[in-house]
Amino acid sequence: GNSVTQMEGPVTLSEEAFLTINCTYTATGYPSLFWYVQYPGEGLQLLLKATKADDKGSNKGFEATYRKETTSFHLEKGSVQVSDSAVYFCALSPRGNNDMRFGAGTRLTVKP
Amino acid sequence: NAGVMQNPRHLVRRRGQEARLRCSPMKGHSHVYWYRQLPEEGLKFMVYLQKENIIDESGMPKERFSAEFPKEGPSILRIQQVVRGDSAAYFCASADRLDNEQFFGPGTRLTVL
Repeated sequence: GNSVTQMEGPVTLSEEAFLTINCTYTATGYPSLFWYVQYPGEGLQLLLKATKADDKGSNKGFEATYRKETTSFHLEKGSVQVSDSAVYFCALSPRGNNDMRFGAGTRLTVKP
Repeated sequence: NAGVMQNPRHLVRRRGQEARLRCSPMKGHSHVYWYRQLPEEGLKFMVYLQKENIIDESGMPKERFSAEFPKEGPSILRIQQVVRGDSAAYFCASADRLDNEQFFGPGTRLTVL
């Protein structure tokens, strides 16, 4: 079946550090891949997405590349800020249906 | 264009009572999804609806839970005879078509005493 596995947290970094949150997936066919962010007390917001192999999604300094050969979609940011503290969810949506699957979430805390 | 709206934001119920959670999708969106998030866990899919139809309810508990998305008005997630284990954040999301990203509401945090 379709599933997403992401790096367990929590992750604590100092401001301006480099961030990587790993995400791998299992899916039949060619799903679309997403990263969502959830700030405290709020719902999920789409951060970035990629719909086919080798696509790179980017937004607000975050990037993730759809790697079919390694079935991965790792999230990266070169220099994190305190305001990036949130929970990050990797997700996939198989083609042709709306059975979106989410990873368990990774809590990021950035300290000044 | 207003985002996905959910109400109430917080709901407290005693064991055995009913909980009704409402979701108004974004304008022009006819696909609605409900998810449950337990403390410190990820989102678990519950049900997917299109106007007046339940498309996939594979994630919905077989008893006490029901969902609808009437022709007019918001989608409703209904939990009858709530138990403590139902305490969670319930998120609604909407999309304009299959395969497109889902836009999430702020969630309803249900606490069962």
